[in-house]
Amino acid sequence: SYKLTQPPSVSVSPGQTASISCSGDKLVNQYACWYQQKAGQSPALVIYQDNKRPPGIPERFSGSSSGNTATLTITGTQAMDEADYYCQAWDSNTPVVFGGGTKLTVL
Amino acid sequence: QVQVQESGPGLVKPSETLSLTCTVSGGSISGYFWSWIRQPAGKGLEWIGRIHSSGSSNYNPSLESRVSMSVDTSKNQFYLRLTSVTAADTAVYYCARDSEDYGDNVQEVWGQGTLVTVSS
Repeated sequence: SYKLTQPPSVSVSPGQTASISCSGDKLVNQYACWYQQKAGQSPALVIYQDNKRPPGIPERFSGSSSGNTATLTITGTQAMDEADYYCQAWDSNTPVVFGGGTKLTVL
Repeated sequence: QVQVQESGPGLVKPSETLSLTCTVSGGSISGYFWSWIRQPAGKGLEWIGRIHSSGSSNYNPSLESRVSMSVDTSKNQFYLRLTSVTAADTAVYYCARDSEDYGDNVQEVWGQGTLVTVSS
């Protein structure tokens, strides 16, 4: 089955830039999206089609993609950004595939 | 603004069938794909499957033998059945809707989730 690989954890100091990667061999030909899940809450979409933000998502959230890796970047990370982040893509057999998730800690 | 809400038993016995309902409010169920997604405590998200308002469905291959989904457009509801459950099926179960504006397979609307525990 198709697998998306994320680092289990990323740490960042307040005000610094956090980058979370998502690798999958089909990403070279398809979009990825990203969800933020804060403790005790449902996931919420923060990036779609690799690099687009839904309304209401702060500009400090950005996305990019190169080859088989998508990246979520948070510039000027704030304490409120501490959360789990999941990438998502798809393949021909499974319309929704999630990465394993990355716990972002703001130290 | 469309909202979705999961409901169903919070406790299911091993080997029995888990049944959940997702109720859609603030909009129509028609014309969209609707997914079930679960998350065991402290673990990641797992897509279970989805159903279109027309009734067509796709399931995660890892669960396909035990999963079925259905939809009732007159009630604005869709349903999940998972048979022969074990403790490994204990999780928070979310229902969600595919995006209208953000591309295929993107989950734009999420419910608050419902915890289902499998235990005797």
